[in-house]
Amino acid sequence: QQQVKQSPQSLIVQKGGISIINCAYENTAFDYFPWYQQFPGKGPALLIAIRPDVSEKKEGRFTISFNKSAKQFSLHIMDSQPGDSATYFCAASKGNEKLTFGTGTRLTIIP
Amino acid sequence: GAGVSQTPSNKVTEKGKYVELRCDPISGHTALYWYRQSLGQGPEFLIYFQGTGAADDSGLPNDRFFAVRPEGSVSTLKIQRTERGDSAVYLCASSSQGPGTEAFFGQGTRLTVV
Repeated sequence: QQQVKQSPQSLIVQKGGISIINCAYENTAFDYFPWYQQFPGKGPALLIAIRPDVSEKKEGRFTISFNKSAKQFSLHIMDSQPGDSATYFCAASKGNEKLTFGTGTRLTIIP
Repeated sequence: GAGVSQTPSNKVTEKGKYVELRCDPISGHTALYWYRQSLGQGPEFLIYFQGTGAADDSGLPNDRFFAVRPEGSVSTLKIQRTERGDSAVYLCASSSQGPGTEAFFGQGTRLTVV
């Protein structure tokens, strides 16, 4: 059973545009929602994370929007740059349990 | 070291052989995790150590997989009687406080079973 569903599978955005990746979860006990960025041949790196007591968190060009009632959260990348081209994973965890990852979104930023 | 180190970076083995994958976590991190990532998929949890003990091994797919962390630092993932379906990137991560806090990943070991 896939507990975290991620879309789209791939995304192409023009340089300077906004990249939006969405995730939906099923387990209402999840209380930690991070986004990871992964470049080819590298391990995932934490980008930004949110807890369900807030609806939005912004760090630089990256924003997480969180909708607890809809059980959805999304990553927005403002002013997207070619260096942002990577695979992005959402994830969720409950208390002291392990991270459950989405299936990933391959983002390509074109000039 | 500055980050999580995994060795080897690549491992090719024949079906039926035994392999060991090593993870050196960030110094001082008490929590250590193993994940497996298949091509085009997100990482899938295998096992979580808090100190020397396995706090959660529910992700190990079968009894051919085993992991140890005898001194609470370096961990070894051991796979017996490897199968072609075991081919994947095995990722190790560590954190200072356990799940729900920032986990730092190594670059992974790409295991290919031929």
